[in-house]
Amino acid sequence: EVQLLESGGGLVQPGGSLRLSCAASGFTFSYYAMSWVRQAPGKGLEWVSGISISGGDAYYADSVKGRFTMSRDNSKNTLYLQMNGLRAEDTAVYYCAKEDYGGSPDYWGQGTLVTVSS
Amino acid sequence: DVVMTQSPLSLPVTLGQPASISCRSSQSLVYSDGNTYFNWFQQRPGQSPRRLIYKVSNRDSGVPDRFSGSGSGTDFTLNISRVEAEDVGVYYCMQGSHWPRTFGQGTKVEIK
Repeated sequence: EVQLLESGGGLVQPGGSLRLSCAASGFTFSYYAMSWVRQAPGKGLEWVSGISISGGDAYYADSVKGRFTMSRDNSKNTLYLQMNGLRAEDTAVYYCAKEDYGGSPDYWGQGTLVTVSS
Repeated sequence: DVVMTQSPLSLPVTLGQPASISCRSSQSLVYSDGNTYFNWFQQRPGQSPRRLIYKVSNRDSGVPDRFSGSGSGTDFTLNISRVEAEDVGVYYCMQGSHWPRTFGQGTKVEIK
C-alpha cells in the first residue's frame, strides 16, 4: 500500500524558514517523480513544485521560485521542501504526492499545515 | 503559465441525476509525445485530493464507472451519470503537459 507521510509543518514568522519532509513507503520511491501541492485555508489546490526521479531536475510555481527548494533522498525514501523567506500567503496545507509515469499525482499524503504569522 | 478555467464553480445536483463539469485550458494540452496529460481530482470534505481520471478519460482503480472524462485539445468535461451522496465535494482539473503544472479553481458539488 502506497503511503506518504508529511511532517515538519508548524507556525513560523514571516521571513522565516521551514523544511517539510515526506516519508514514502509501499512503492519503489526511486522510480517515480514526486510533487508538492498546497491548499490555503478555504481555497483551491495550487501546484508548488515537482522533482524528477534522480532529483536532478526540479520545477517550481512562479509564486515560490527562488524561495523554495525541492529535493529527495532516494536512499531514505524521503522527499523534502525547504521553504525560505516565508510569507503570510504561504500559509497552507502542504501535500506530498507521488506522480505516475504521465506526470500526474496518483497518490497523496494527508498533508501538513504551515502557518506563517507573527 | 497555462490557465485552467472550470465551470460552473458551484453545482447543486439532485441525487440520481447527471452532472457535468467543464474545464478549458489556455493552451493545447497535447504533449510532444502525442498524449494529453489532463486529470480530474475529487476532494471530499476534510480529505486529501483523490485522482479520478488521468489522460483525459482513464478512470483510476476503484473509481465508480458513473464517472467519465472526455475532451481534447483545450476543452474537457467530467461527467457523473447519476450523482450519489458520496460524490459531494470539490472537483479540480489539472494539466500535466506544461510546466508549471496548474489546477482549475475547483467546482463545488452539493446535493439540492
